[in-house]
Amino acid sequence: NAGVTQTPKFQVLKTGQSMTLQCAQDMNHNSMYWYRQDPGMGLRLIYYSASEGTTDKGEVPNGYNVSRLNKREFSLRLESAAPSQTSVYFCASSHLDHSGNTIYFGEGSWLTVV
Amino acid sequence: GQSLEQPSEVTAVEGAIVQINCTYQTSGFYGLSWYQQHDGGAPTFLSYNALDGLEETGRFSSFLSRSDSYGYLLLQELQMKDSASYFCAVRDTGGFKTIFGAGTRLFVKA
Repeated sequence: NAGVTQTPKFQVLKTGQSMTLQCAQDMNHNSMYWYRQDPGMGLRLIYYSASEGTTDKGEVPNGYNVSRLNKREFSLRLESAAPSQTSVYFCASSHLDHSGNTIYFGEGSWLTVV
Repeated sequence: GQSLEQPSEVTAVEGAIVQINCTYQTSGFYGLSWYQQHDGGAPTFLSYNALDGLEETGRFSSFLSRSDSYGYLLLQELQMKDSASYFCAVRDTGGFKTIFGAGTRLFVKA
């Protein structure tokens, strides 16, 4: 069972370059998320998608765009990368109901912008 | 908006009990979760409290007081492998948005 799969695992970009982080889940979850993690900052929500066809801004959406391609896939795009976007990016998914909301994370994508 | 506060670091000895506190401020509240993350790894789910009281899962327990906007994670019989970062997270009223605290780094000493 693959769970949440994100690619690439490592990427180095030059300032101004663009790239897309890909994410797919095989758990039939409705909700998907993109978080970034910086040292001492915890996990900050960039964008989320409550269900297929919807996306919403999180805490730190500036400089990013997302696409919920279908129920399985949720991509994150950096149109013009900046050094401040150097971070570890986690894609996640969950099935929300009244009993809980376990969030399942991918293994992370380490992005360096130089 | 939402904010969560938890201590940045906690140190304890193997076999001991440690409590990691979390206070939160939210415009809406649907539940408090706890996640564990080892260095270089992804966060993994530990527990979830939607109602006041204690939830127990093996060596880990989590408590919630909604009236105090407060919760804690209790780790018993600490083991070296428990050295990790622990995050509390709040799910908002709409239920779709989950915000994390900055994390508590737990060091377990022999």
